[in-house]
Amino acid sequence: KQEVTQIPAALSVPEGENLVLNCSFTDSAIYNLQWFRQDPGKGLTSLLLIQSSQREQTSGRLNASLDKSSGRSTLYIAASQPGDSATYLCAVRPQTGANNLFFGTGTRLTVIP
Amino acid sequence: NAGVTQTPKFRVLKTGQSMTLLCAQDMNHEYMYWYRQDPGMGLRLIHYSVGEGTTAKGEVPDGYNVSRLKKQNFLLGLESAAPSQTSVYFCASSYVLVGLVGKNIQYFGAGTRLSVL
Repeated sequence: KQEVTQIPAALSVPEGENLVLNCSFTDSAIYNLQWFRQDPGKGLTSLLLIQSSQREQTSGRLNASLDKSSGRSTLYIAASQPGDSATYLCAVRPQTGANNLFFGTGTRLTVIP
Repeated sequence: NAGVTQTPKFRVLKTGQSMTLLCAQDMNHEYMYWYRQDPGMGLRLIHYSVGEGTTAKGEVPDGYNVSRLKKQNFLLGLESAAPSQTSVYFCASSYVLVGLVGKNIQYFGAGTRLSVL
């Protein structure tokens, strides 16, 4: 069964700092990996999707990388802002089984003004 | 542009009561999903649907039933609620790109917070 792990569970950084969030998964047979943002009491917002054939995706200050063979992904956030404070979830779509995503437990990010 | 809408947002039930959670999407998506989110655990799939009139079990289906009578709606039912079903429930939907499964982005609703006493 696919297992997804995110480290650290929580992270606090001062405003303006660059930071990296980590995600690892146990089975490299995936279609894609997605990074989501979740605000307290809110739903999930898709930030970036990396297909299995891709190495990275960029959107604004966000850059996500994927190393499928080693089962790792990173989300890089440049010049962090207080508005970036949220929980960040990564999820993988396996190539077998149900059409669902397997989620990590998330990293809670706090950007201190 | 509503996207994925879940009702209700909050609900408190007593053990043994029944209820239905409604998910509606206006993006004409084929696929719809119900997940639950519990503290310290990632979201887990309960049931999903690949089209109108079809449903399938996910990772944690016990105690739940679903129906997809209309393409835009996906209902999650609890026939006899138990305290273990206290959770936040998320609905999601996605389109299908034939031959491009890798681009299947899921769009999520805001969630339903359910407490079973």
